[in-house]
Amino acid sequence: DGGITQSPKYLFRKEGQNVTLSCEQNLNHDAMYWYRQDPGQGLRLIYYSQIVNDFQKGDIAEGYSVSREKKESFPLTVTSAQKNPTAFYLCASSTGVLGNQPQHFGDGTRLSIL
Amino acid sequence: QKEVEQDPGPLSVPEGAIVSLNCTYSNSAFQYFMWYRQYSRKGPELLMYTYSSGNKEDGRFTAQVDKSSKYISLFIRDSQPSDSATYLCAMAMDSNYQLIWGAGTKLIIKP
Repeated sequence: DGGITQSPKYLFRKEGQNVTLSCEQNLNHDAMYWYRQDPGQGLRLIYYSQIVNDFQKGDIAEGYSVSREKKESFPLTVTSAQKNPTAFYLCASSTGVLGNQPQHFGDGTRLSIL
Repeated sequence: QKEVEQDPGPLSVPEGAIVSLNCTYSNSAFQYFMWYRQYSRKGPELLMYTYSSGNKEDGRFTAQVDKSSKYISLFIRDSQPSDSATYLCAMAMDSNYQLIWGAGTKLIIKP
């Protein structure tokens, strides 16, 4: 079955710690995205990538970093510089990067602070 | 003012009712309109995708776009308890990378 796999499902971060969220897709999509979802708010774009070894900041990139070394993988690191990291993180992919391409989502990682 | 406004609900209706979910937007450049359904602790899944104005029907779901009023709707006929979820609208311009999201409406279908 084609889809997007995010792991872990739940993650806890200690003060001053960096944590990495995994996102893998087998849909052969070129574009991948990371969103943050907070209660009562729409999805906010953190980073997106059109092709391997290329990625762009979204609206709320501060305190986050990404890499795109393989087409299938787009991990997100939440650094200690992100002072309010508690949220639901969603990874998505689409055939192209334009907004008119429907995005397909994984089941998210819920990050909390210890 | 947000670019996309969506009533957060919750909207509670009895099983079998017709449900109407709505979003308003301010940017007349939006051309692509989507509805996603999100169950608790899951990622959103695409329900409906519409280009420009008009209606689109898929089973019990109908998406409607009124660009003159900057208003989109999702209708659910014969609603089921399994339709209980948060419904998110999203929109995009013709050649821009970004989807703009509503905050989502929580829908509860009572058996």
